[in-house]
Amino acid sequence: NAGVTQTPKFQVLKTGQSMTLQCAQDMNHEYMSWYRQDPGMGLRLIHYSVGAGITDQGEVPNGYNVSRSTTEDFPLRLLSAAPSQTSVYFCASSYSGPPDNEQFFGPGTRLTVL
Amino acid sequence: TQLLEQSPQFLSIQEGENLTVYCNSSSVFSSLQWYRQEPGEGPVLLVTVVTGGEVKKLKRLTFQFGDARKDSSLHITAAQPGDTGLYLCAQGGTASKLTFGTGTRLQVTL
Repeated sequence: NAGVTQTPKFQVLKTGQSMTLQCAQDMNHEYMSWYRQDPGMGLRLIHYSVGAGITDQGEVPNGYNVSRSTTEDFPLRLLSAAPSQTSVYFCASSYSGPPDNEQFFGPGTRLTVL
Repeated sequence: TQLLEQSPQFLSIQEGENLTVYCNSSSVFSSLQWYRQEPGEGPVLLVTVVTGGEVKKLKRLTFQFGDARKDSSLHITAAQPGDTGLYLCAQGGTASKLTFGTGTRLQVTL
């Protein structure tokens, strides 16, 4: 099993450009999430999904869109990139809800917006 | 929004020393997880605690959940360079939602 995969690993954008961060998992997990990690701020939840066709907002959803058409894939779209979106983005999946919802994380995408 | 505060923020120790890091909340945890993150990688789960007063051991790591379920600690005995990383606590919420603490960055040198 590949686990959780993310592409690209690095990306540089100009302000105003749009792009999609890809995330896929092969563990048949229902739950998937996107987090961003900034220095001194831990991981903050952007959007999450509890199954195909179901998504909801997390703590910092503004400027991002998601969709979940299949169990395996959960892409994150930046509509119009801003320098404040410079961060490391992690996708995660889990088999179950709390309390045993072990999150399996991808390797991350490091995004710089100029 | 529930806040999870971790202390200390940074810790630099020598191999063989013991250390404790803390995770505190303003509210009661439903469950608490500890993750370790190495540079350039995603976090990896170490343990989940759900019962107040619970103590779990993972080799040289001891995790404790406070009786009131508002705090937790991670104690490492005889630290090794391989323990170097960012330690994150996370509070379990609904569905796949976790609230992460700000992290403790540990550096263990020879």
